[in-house]
Amino acid sequence: SQKIEQNSEALNIQEGKTATLTCNYTNYSPAYLQWYRQDPGRGPVFLLLIRENEKEKRKERLKVTFDTTLKQSLFHITASQPADSATYLCALPGYSSASKIIFGSGTRLSIRP
Amino acid sequence: DTAVSQTPKYLVTQMGNDKSIKCEQNLGHDTMYWYKQDSKKFLKIMFSYNNKELIINETVPNRFSPKSPDKAHLNLHINSLELGDSAVYFCASSQEGWGTSGGVYQFFGPGTRLTVL
Repeated sequence: SQKIEQNSEALNIQEGKTATLTCNYTNYSPAYLQWYRQDPGRGPVFLLLIRENEKEKRKERLKVTFDTTLKQSLFHITASQPADSATYLCALPGYSSASKIIFGSGTRLSIRP
Repeated sequence: DTAVSQTPKYLVTQMGNDKSIKCEQNLGHDTMYWYKQDSKKFLKIMFSYNNKELIINETVPNRFSPKSPDKAHLNLHINSLELGDSAVYFCASSQEGWGTSGGVYQFFGPGTRLTVL
């Protein structure tokens, strides 16, 4: 069965540095991959979607890469700010159904001033 | 102007009771979902409806029954609540929900924290 692993349960970064989060998946080749942000007590919020034929995607200070050979996505936040502190979730469409989105367990990012 | 809303936000109840959680979306989406997020923050899909038709039904006890009266609403009814049902339940909706590789991303509600005592 397909697996998604987000390498770090928690990551602490100094403000102004670049935060890099990792998402690895196994057992199939998804057509796209997504990243969400979740704040405590709230639902996940969609951030970015990157397709299998795209190597990189950017949105303001966010950058996502998608390496289908390594079966890995990297999520970068440049010039990080304390307001970026949250849990970030990686998600993929299901192998058997594109409607079924499978989520990773998330990485809790803390940006210290 | 909430896109996906759920009620109630908190639900505390005794074991064995029956309870419902309601969800509404005003985005005009065709597909709605229920997710369960456990204490380890793992978000797992339970059900999905597309135009009022059940399209995803994961391995969930049959004490859980979703109902979609129209495509803007998806309610979750839980019978005979158990301690292990304690979790946060999220409703979500998406624009394209079936048979597409164009990219489905979801809008989530604020969640309902269910505590079974």
